[in-house]
Amino acid sequence: SAVISQKPSRDICQRGTSLTIQCQVDSQVTMMFWYRQQPGQSLTLIATANQGSEATYESGFVIDKFPISRPNLTFSTLTVSNMSPEDSSIYLCSVRAGGPHEQYFGPGTRLTVT
Amino acid sequence: AQRVTQPEKLLSVFKGAPVELKCNYSYSGSPELFWYVQYSRQRLQLLLRHISRESIKGFTADLNKGETSFHLKKPFAQEEDSAMYYCALSGPGTYKYIFGTGTRLKVLA
Repeated sequence: SAVISQKPSRDICQRGTSLTIQCQVDSQVTMMFWYRQQPGQSLTLIATANQGSEATYESGFVIDKFPISRPNLTFSTLTVSNMSPEDSSIYLCSVRAGGPHEQYFGPGTRLTVT
Repeated sequence: AQRVTQPEKLLSVFKGAPVELKCNYSYSGSPELFWYVQYSRQRLQLLLRHISRESIKGFTADLNKGETSFHLKKPFAQEEDSAMYYCALSGPGTYKYIFGTGTRLKVLA
């Protein structure tokens, strides 16, 4: 299994600013993912954070808006840049650890943009 | 298009009644199907997956490829089953999930 922590747990930010969310795992993992859950919506995959290389973004998400770092096998950051109220969401970090479908989720970061 | 549909946002049942949470999917190929659960103030966690054919906390789910469904069932609901349930699929070997919008299950005393 894997235990994931995220910081901050929640934040209220002003339009036009940026927020960096941290994800820390208690063990080394190969695959880390970032998801977004907008109010009343499903979880949507933003990108796969690759260690030592650029993140792989899903359709509709771009690096300029959501830059991701993955400096090692236990840590990743997601930045939400130039925020607007539409970015108000819960952002979740997820990792694959153990078997092929042993996927674990962090507690999420609740972001409100005013 | 790849999609997971959970038609019910909210499902309320009485304790001891049977429960069925519906999930339909659209995917070209043979996906892996999962049910995730999120209890109040807890993080999202895996409940079960179709490849394991397991029963967890009394819940089972059968993959029906003809109807492209993966409904979650429990014969006798308990109050502690109250939670948000998400159906998800993953393409073989991709480990990337497509989630449904979720169904909130409320089990009434």
